[in-house]
Amino acid sequence: SQQGEEDPQALSIQEGENATMNCSYKTSINNLQWYRQNSGRGLVHLILIRSNEREKHSGRLRVTLDTSKKSSSLLITASRAADTASYFCATSARDDKIIFGKGTRLHILP
Amino acid sequence: EADIYQTPRYLVIGTGKKITLECSQTMGHDKMYWYQQDPGMELHLIHYSYGVNSTEKGDLSSESTVSRIRTEHFPLTLESARPSHTSQYLCASSDTIFATNEKLFFGSGTQLSVL
Repeated sequence: SQQGEEDPQALSIQEGENATMNCSYKTSINNLQWYRQNSGRGLVHLILIRSNEREKHSGRLRVTLDTSKKSSSLLITASRAADTASYFCATSARDDKIIFGKGTRLHILP
Repeated sequence: EADIYQTPRYLVIGTGKKITLECSQTMGHDKMYWYQQDPGMELHLIHYSYGVNSTEKGDLSSESTVSRIRTEHFPLTLESARPSHTSQYLCASSDTIFATNEKLFFGSGTQLSVL
């Protein structure tokens, strides 16, 4: 399957620092998305980047996409305690399914 | 927050019981999904639907079934629950059928425990 794989699996940083998470996938995609999940809840869509885009910004979020390496990164700048959550990348391909990776658990230390 | 609702929020049930997990959305979205997620793990796609009378199996084999009689409603049924079905079930809908821009709106999930 063209499942995304996030790296690292878990990340702990001090409040105010930047957090970077990476995602790799296997096959050609239409788009790549990042979602956030607070413990025991559903996922919330953060940002979508199309296969013909290389970088996208939304507030404190910056996403890059390198289709030649089949990888993406999510940067959260000036982290806050409320950013503590799991972050998932998801890819959409020609088979019309949206497939999620294993996620990165981010913990912001006070 | 998206207008997509799952009930019940938590369900504890004995082995062999038939259960239905409800999912409803008020956004008029055609495409809907069911994912299964174990604690701290990835989401596995188990079912999806393009619209009324459409149901498709996902990547993870599941003993559950779904139906789509109305646009807003996409229930998931387990005919005979087993402990291996213990998991979180997440329902989602999509705001477009065009894959280039498709993004998902999730419900809060149903945490199922089968004893």
